[in-house]
Amino acid sequence: EAGVTQFPSHSVIEKGQTVTLRCDPISGHDNLYWYRRVMGKEIKFLLHFVKESKQDESGMPNNRFLAERTGGTYSTLKVQPAELEDSGVYFCASSQLIGGELFFGEGSRLTVL
Amino acid sequence: KQEVTQIPAALSVPEGENLVLNCSFTDSAIYNLQWFRQDPGKGLTSLLLIQSSQREQTSGRLNASLDKSSGRSTLYIAASQPGDSATYLCETSGSRLTFGEGTQLTVNP
Repeated sequence: EAGVTQFPSHSVIEKGQTVTLRCDPISGHDNLYWYRRVMGKEIKFLLHFVKESKQDESGMPNNRFLAERTGGTYSTLKVQPAELEDSGVYFCASSQLIGGELFFGEGSRLTVL
Repeated sequence: KQEVTQIPAALSVPEGENLVLNCSFTDSAIYNLQWFRQDPGKGLTSLLLIQSSQREQTSGRLNASLDKSSGRSTLYIAASQPGDSATYLCETSGSRLTFGEGTQLTVNP
């Protein structure tokens, strides 16, 4: 069974540009989470989808970040316009149940120049 | 707001030693606690998941304990090997999923 997959693995963009990160959760997992680790700090929660609905988006830093999960399958996280402080690694995780075991993707490294 | 703290931040041990990594959390209203390892440039790999009703879980040379009342968890690694070198992360699942900052472990041959 395929695990959580994320694309791209690494993206280098200039300040002010737009980047879209994609996450494909494990098939059948209703819960999808986005996290990020910036500047070598701890991993921080961004938001949680249950199917296509945003269960909790309190971790989203500002309105330059937009997450979607149309159809309740894969999710995208768009950063527009990107700023230097957005550089970091963006992780996606999925779980079958709320409070269930989390399975993480390899992460998407974003570098904003 | 849940706060998860991991001690020590970094640990270097010779091969073969038994070691303990510590994790503490402020809000005991959690569904479970999960330990992960992260290798440089890689994603997070789940090591052990302890449900809130459980006290410990074991997998091979790893043993994780959970004491909800005191807000503590430990990850015990027996007979450490150089391949155990990685960053170990503790995560609590409650109303929010919260990670600690991690412990960077180096096992020297």
